[in-house]
Amino acid sequence: DADVTQTPRNRITKTGKRIMLECSQTKGHDRMYWYRQDPGLGLRLIYYSFDVKDINKGEISDGYSVSRQAQAKFSLSLESAIPNQTALYFCATSEGGSGQPQHFGDGTRLSIL
Amino acid sequence: AQSVAQPEDQVNVAEGNPLTVKCTYSVSGNPYLFWYVQYPNRGLQFLLKYITGDNLVKGSYGFEAEFNKSQTSFHLKKPSALVSDSALYFCAVRDSESNYQLIWGAGTKLIIKP
Repeated sequence: DADVTQTPRNRITKTGKRIMLECSQTKGHDRMYWYRQDPGLGLRLIYYSFDVKDINKGEISDGYSVSRQAQAKFSLSLESAIPNQTALYFCATSEGGSGQPQHFGDGTRLSIL
Repeated sequence: AQSVAQPEDQVNVAEGNPLTVKCTYSVSGNPYLFWYVQYPNRGLQFLLKYITGDNLVKGSYGFEAEFNKSQTSFHLKKPSALVSDSALYFCAVRDSESNYQLIWGAGTKLIIKP
């Protein structure tokens, strides 16, 4: 979905490094999400934000932090990366209301050595 | 606890045949159910949803899904499969116990053979 842009698309780094993944959107949605995808586990929610002043922990927030710099920008940080954080990370957006579909970026493939 | 299950890791179908990808759920309250598709190296794309109304929901790319309350299922279907339908399919349900976030199935890999 070109309306949700994630950078970088791929990243290889070492254990202990601080990493930031960025997400920007042009859809004008208030809600933004960060997920990680691991084979056979589906998607797991890391953090979500309903607006600029609202940040919520998801299912697996330990070891991660986020910043909602503007309505259009939502970044995910790994303060001290560890190998089991190697995964595919997705940002998504949605309009308000729990019946609204989510729109995904193309993901960041992160490898931690 | 609320949950969603996709009992098949992989489904193989011949091109032109009907396909079904299964999803069952367990939620309290009225279920909001979703299907998404993921192509290689891409993010997930929304296919269809059920919130209320007709049990047969039509979505993108000729897909449809049937909501069955008694069997707590929401199976994805297509009358005639295309090779281009080969992808990873995810079912998701709204979690009313966790600020209405989505709970995701593990995904089903659909392979359509020519």
